[in-house]
Amino acid sequence: GDSVTQMEGPVTLSEEAFLTINCTYTATGYPSLFWYVQYPGEGLQLLLKATKADDKGSNKGFEATYRKETTSFHLEKGSVQVSDSAVYFCALSDRGGSNYKLTFGKGTLLTVNP
Amino acid sequence: GAVVSQHPSRVICKSGTSVKIECRSLDFQATTMFWYRQFPKKSLMLMATSNEGSKATYEQGVEKDKFLINHASLTLSTLTVTSAHPEDSSFYICSARWDGADTQYFGPGTRLTVL
Repeated sequence: GDSVTQMEGPVTLSEEAFLTINCTYTATGYPSLFWYVQYPGEGLQLLLKATKADDKGSNKGFEATYRKETTSFHLEKGSVQVSDSAVYFCALSDRGGSNYKLTFGKGTLLTVNP
Repeated sequence: GAVVSQHPSRVICKSGTSVKIECRSLDFQATTMFWYRQFPKKSLMLMATSNEGSKATYEQGVEKDKFLINHASLTLSTLTVTSAHPEDSSFYICSARWDGADTQYFGPGTRLTVL
């Protein structure tokens, strides 16, 4: 079956540091890939997505590139802020299924200190 | 765009009572809605998938008689936790997608506490 593996947290950075959260996947089909962010006590917000190989998703300074050859979708940001502190989930959508179920990674807690 | 709401945001109930949680898509027609459960510091566990007008499809290990899901319209799905017990205490999150879309949009979640 499909699976998503993302780097274990927690990750603690100082403000303005560079962020990378690794994500790799296995899928039987050709999935869409997503990064969602969850702030404390809230639901998930879509951060960015990519639907085909070499696509780059970007939003709010975050970006990730769909790498089919390495089955990866690493999240990066050049300069993090305290407000970026949250849990980040990598996910894939099985487009072969009729309901586009999401398979999630375990989440990575990011804490950014001033 | 693509806003999903949940109500209530928090609920506390006594053991043995039933609790209903609503999930609404505010600005799109949700042909499919999903219900998840999230334990502290854990990822999301998919409980069930519902398509408007059809019976929900439950994931393995989820009791369909305990977690009743109704998707009566293209903008509303409800999850009823029947005869709730303390072990049902959790954070419940819904999501929705429209026909042909690969993206799910999530509600803000409902914190259920069963005393």
